[in-house]
Amino acid sequence: AQSVAQPEDQVNVAEGNPLTVKCTYSVSGNPYLFWYVQYPNRGLQFLLKYITGDNLVKGSYGFEAEFNKSQTSFHLKKPSALVSDSALYFCAVRPYGGATNKLIFGTGTLLAVQP
Amino acid sequence: EAQVTQNPRYLITVTGKKLTVTCSQNMNHEYMSWYRQDPGLGLRQIYYSMNVEVTDKGDVPEGYKVSRKEKRNFPLILESPSPNQTSLYFCASSLPGITGELFFGEGSRLTVL
Repeated sequence: AQSVAQPEDQVNVAEGNPLTVKCTYSVSGNPYLFWYVQYPNRGLQFLLKYITGDNLVKGSYGFEAEFNKSQTSFHLKKPSALVSDSALYFCAVRPYGGATNKLIFGTGTLLAVQP
Repeated sequence: EAQVTQNPRYLITVTGKKLTVTCSQNMNHEYMSWYRQDPGLGLRQIYYSMNVEVTDKGDVPEGYKVSRKEKRNFPLILESPSPNQTSLYFCASSLPGITGELFFGEGSRLTVL
């Protein structure tokens, strides 16, 4: 079965420190990978995606993610966390060769950045 | 401004009372979809539409209906809501082609008593 796992329900980090939000996936074939952020009472906002090419993808708000095919992972990173980064983060995958634009989402990771 | 607009944002209703959540996008996207978000489960797809008059079931379609009579609109219909449909609902749209990201509405929080 195709799936996405976000092993941490919550990640706590101090402002100014680097942050990592983990994501692993299980799909057939090469995946298309996405990260979204959800602020309280808001919809999901697109952060970045991996389609092909360079394994390090840069996105909005200073975030980046590293695609690792051998570990089937797509971890979200930021060198220096801000309090305003506190939000719910979702990893999602679209299986390569899929007939629709469907995304399979992880269960989300709550990022809490302490001042 | 490019956006996906959902209404209502918040709704409390009772079991069995039909309701419709509207969704409209102004980006001329062919693809539209509905998801529900529940704690610990992430987002799950309810229905999707590849284009006008083309709709199909997602992973959790039971108890829901949709229609796509116009390109910009994709309403979600709950004919006889039940308490297990209490959830946060999101409409999303995208361009054709599977490399594109989804654009989401602000969400509709539905409570069924």
